[in-house]
Amino acid sequence: AQTVTQSQPEMSVQEAETVTLSCTYDTSESDYYLFWYKQPPSRQMILVIRQEAYKQQNATENRFSVNFQKAAKSFSLKISDSQLGDAAMYFCAYRRYSLIFGTGTRLQVFP
Amino acid sequence: NAGVTQTPKFQVLKTGQSMTLQCAQDMNHEYMSWYRQDPGMGLRLIHYSVGAGITDQGEVPNGYNVSRSTTEDFPLRLLSAAPSQTSVYFCASTGRVNSPLHFGNGTRLTVT
Repeated sequence: AQTVTQSQPEMSVQEAETVTLSCTYDTSESDYYLFWYKQPPSRQMILVIRQEAYKQQNATENRFSVNFQKAAKSFSLKISDSQLGDAAMYFCAYRRYSLIFGTGTRLQVFP
Repeated sequence: NAGVTQTPKFQVLKTGQSMTLQCAQDMNHEYMSWYRQDPGMGLRLIHYSVGAGITDQGEVPNGYNVSRSTTEDFPLRLLSAAPSQTSVYFCASTGRVNSPLHFGNGTRLTVT
C-alpha cells in the first residue's frame, strides 16, 4: 500500500524568508502524481502545486517550487519570499488511483 | 458553477443514530471520494468511486456505506454512529487521474 510521510508537524518562517516542507512517500508504481495542498483555518483545501512522476523537471508555481527526487521518493515544497497569508496546514498527497495524504505540516509565518 | 456541494455543514448525532452526508458535483466528474480529517491524522480516505455504479473502500471504510447511482451524487451513510466517527468529513471529485481534486467545504460531525 502507498504511504505518505510528513515528518515535520510544525514549521515556522520569518516573513520574506524561504522555508522547505518535507514529504516522502512509498510506492511500487512508476507512474503517479504528487500534490501539495494548503488548508487555511477556513478548512478549504487549496491546490498549491502538482508534479507528474514521469516528468524530471521540478514543478514551479510563482513562489512555490518542489524538489522531486523520484529515486529517493521525496517531494519537498519550497516557499520563497514567505507571506503572512502562507500560514496554514500543508498536506502532501500521492495519487495513482485514489489520493493518499500525509499527516500535514502546520506552517507559521512571523512578521 | 457550484463545484462540490456538501450538506450539512454541521451535525450532532447521538450514539447509534444513522444519517447520510450528502455530496453533489456539477462538473461531470467520474471520480468522487470521501475523506475524514482528524487532528494529527491528516485526511484519510473512507470510500471512493470511479464512476456511477462503481465504489471501493479506502483506508478507513468501517462504519460507512456509500453508493453511486448517478455521476453527480455520492452520499456517505453512517448506519450506527459512534463517538469515534466524530470528525470533519470532506467530499472531493475530479475528472482525470492527473487533475487536482475539487473539495467540498466539509461537514463537522460530532457524535455524543
